Amino acid sequence: AQRVTQPEKLLSVFKGAPVELKCNYSYSGSPELFWYVQYSRQRLQLLLRHISRESIKGFTADLNKGETSFHLKKPFAQEEDSAMYYCALSALSGGYQKVTFGIGTKLQVIP
Amino acid sequence: GAGVSQSPRYKVAKRGQDVALRCDPISGHVSLFWYQQALGQGPEFLTYFQNEAQLDKSGLPSDRFFAERPEGSVSTLKIQRTQQEDSAVYLCASSPPGGPYNEQFFGPGTRLTVL
Repeated sequence: AQRVTQPEKLLSVFKGAPVELKCNYSYSGSPELFWYVQYSRQRLQLLLRHISRESIKGFTADLNKGETSFHLKKPFAQEEDSAMYYCALSALSGGYQKVTFGIGTKLQVIP
Repeated sequence: GAGVSQSPRYKVAKRGQDVALRCDPISGHVSLFWYQQALGQGPEFLTYFQNEAQLDKSGLPSDRFFAERPEGSVSTLKIQRTQQEDSAVYLCASSPPGGPYNEQFFGPGTRLTVL
């Protein structure tokens, strides 16, 4: 079974401070990890995926297989980063890629 | 182009009523997913379609939930004899053909409130 854990429901940081949103996963195979974001009054959308090793809006995430983690980081938080962030794991299940989402972390950037 | 659309956006039902929620995926997207998102929770998988075939319905919480996608495009999620615990946002997502790294494109959701 695949599982995603986001231990913090709410994370408050001041503008300009570093951000780290934690994500741990449980899966016996080789997973694909994603971060999705939902800004206020907008739909859920992809922020980044681990396979791309990209930086989007200053955010990065490194897959650590030893610690089974995929934490999302940004060195300097901006007010526009305030949103709900969901870590997601995609794994082969019954012949297709099944996605499991974490509970989400609300990031609040204080001006 | 147009993204995933869902209707209605809001639905209030009395306990025991049947409801039907519609999803229009992005044209050409083979994969279609339904999720249930309760308040304060992440999206929980309900069911998956590849074209018109329902390949996984393991997440449907009871036999009161039924989903279809008869022509491989529009999908309908039907809930019979709604209960208060069915109150949630129902999300639809579609994904193009391809490998495991494809993102899912989400609709705005339908917020169902059962009184």
